[in-house]
Amino acid sequence: KNQVEQSPQSLIILEGKNCTLQCNYTVSPFSNLRWYKQDTGRGPVSLTIMTFSENTKSNGRYTATLDADTKQSSLHITASQLSDSASYICVVSDRGSTLGRLYFGRGTQLTVWP
Amino acid sequence: EADIYQTPRYLVIGTGKKITLECSQTMGHDKMYWYQQDPGMELHLIHYSYGVNSTEKGDLSSESTVSRIRTEHFPLTLESARPSHTSQYLCASSEYNQNQPQHFGDGTRLSIL
Repeated sequence: KNQVEQSPQSLIILEGKNCTLQCNYTVSPFSNLRWYKQDTGRGPVSLTIMTFSENTKSNGRYTATLDADTKQSSLHITASQLSDSASYICVVSDRGSTLGRLYFGRGTQLTVWP
Repeated sequence: EADIYQTPRYLVIGTGKKITLECSQTMGHDKMYWYQQDPGMELHLIHYSYGVNSTEKGDLSSESTVSRIRTEHFPLTLESARPSHTSQYLCASSEYNQNQPQHFGDGTRLSIL
């Protein structure tokens, strides 16, 4: 069964600290893995997309890694800011159809305290 | 910065009413989607469209219907709202290439009394 599991479910860190969020998946055949940031009351916003051949991609203070062999990804946030408080969603796309079906994780709720 | 718009943002309405949730995008994307999201849960696909006059049901069974008469517009309709329809509804669009991100609207939070 195709699944996406994220950990931890929630995380609290102090402003300025770094953190790493985890995503494990069983989706096959794999097409790409995406990380989205969803602020409370808003729609998700894309942070990174990685295909099979990419093992790291950065977007400012966000760095995503992908290990397609172990089917694991991580999102590292450097020097956290209050505005980083949000839900971070891992999404995996398969390539078994034209649509490229998307499998969503439940997200990690990150809270950054001053 | 989003070029995809959903209205209304919030709707509280009584049981049995007909509801239409609006979604419009200005990016010329062929693919459009409707998702349902409950607190702390993953997004569930309820409808999608490859282009004009193309609509398909998603993974989550839904009593809603959609139409795609124009590229930029993808409204969702509930003929008779029930309390079980209470949820957040998110609209998204994307280019046809599978490796392009989806762009999401800010959602409609629907409450049926």
